[in-house]
Amino acid sequence: QVYLQESGPGVVTPSETLSLTCTVSRGSISTYYWSWIRQPPGKGLEWIGYIYFNGYTNYNPSLKGRVIMSVDTTENQISLNLNFVTAADTAVYFCARAEVGDAFDVWGQGTSVTVTS
Amino acid sequence: SYDLTQPPSVSVSPGQTASITCSGEKLGDRYVSWYQQKPGQSPVVVIYQDNKRPSGIPERFSGSNSGISATLTISGTQTVDEADYFCQAWGSTTVGFGGGTKVTVL
Repeated sequence: QVYLQESGPGVVTPSETLSLTCTVSRGSISTYYWSWIRQPPGKGLEWIGYIYFNGYTNYNPSLKGRVIMSVDTTENQISLNLNFVTAADTAVYFCARAEVGDAFDVWGQGTSVTVTS
Repeated sequence: SYDLTQPPSVSVSPGQTASITCSGEKLGDRYVSWYQQKPGQSPVVVIYQDNKRPSGIPERFSGSNSGISATLTISGTQTVDEADYFCQAWGSTTVGFGGGTKVTVL
């Protein structure tokens, strides 16, 4: 069964860039669409965007151009950069896999990020 | 964004049936998935493509999509089913999640 592991700093300073990595193991990154999804404390899920192995991306317009995703097929990793963070970006960040139009069938365990000075 | 609406909470007695609705624009034109999330854990898909159960999900979980709304039904609800449940569907360019429904078994 494919396994996803998120990693990154647990604390980010306001106005800086949040950078996270999702490592895909026991499976190929060269199929499926790989998404980032976040969950603020005590709240619901918000889709951030997805990337395909060829680098094609689609982002949530609500994040107003602050998001950049990238893929490294040699390392089997997906990365997320979220610029100009504020306290509203404090959340648990998950990576997950899906086919477009279908369910997110595999999720990482999530990594908590707090934006604070 | 693609907005989906769920009731914030549902209460059910053990052994009874819990139903959670999810409404959104043109829901009948897309597949709806449902996720169960327990505190401190990642979401787990319990229904995909409107009414299919992944391997390992108990038969008491079922789903439907009438086009106006989608419904997750838990028949013979057990205490282990107490959790937050989220519906999800793909819009034309984005992914939407419902706000979540807390199912309380008491």
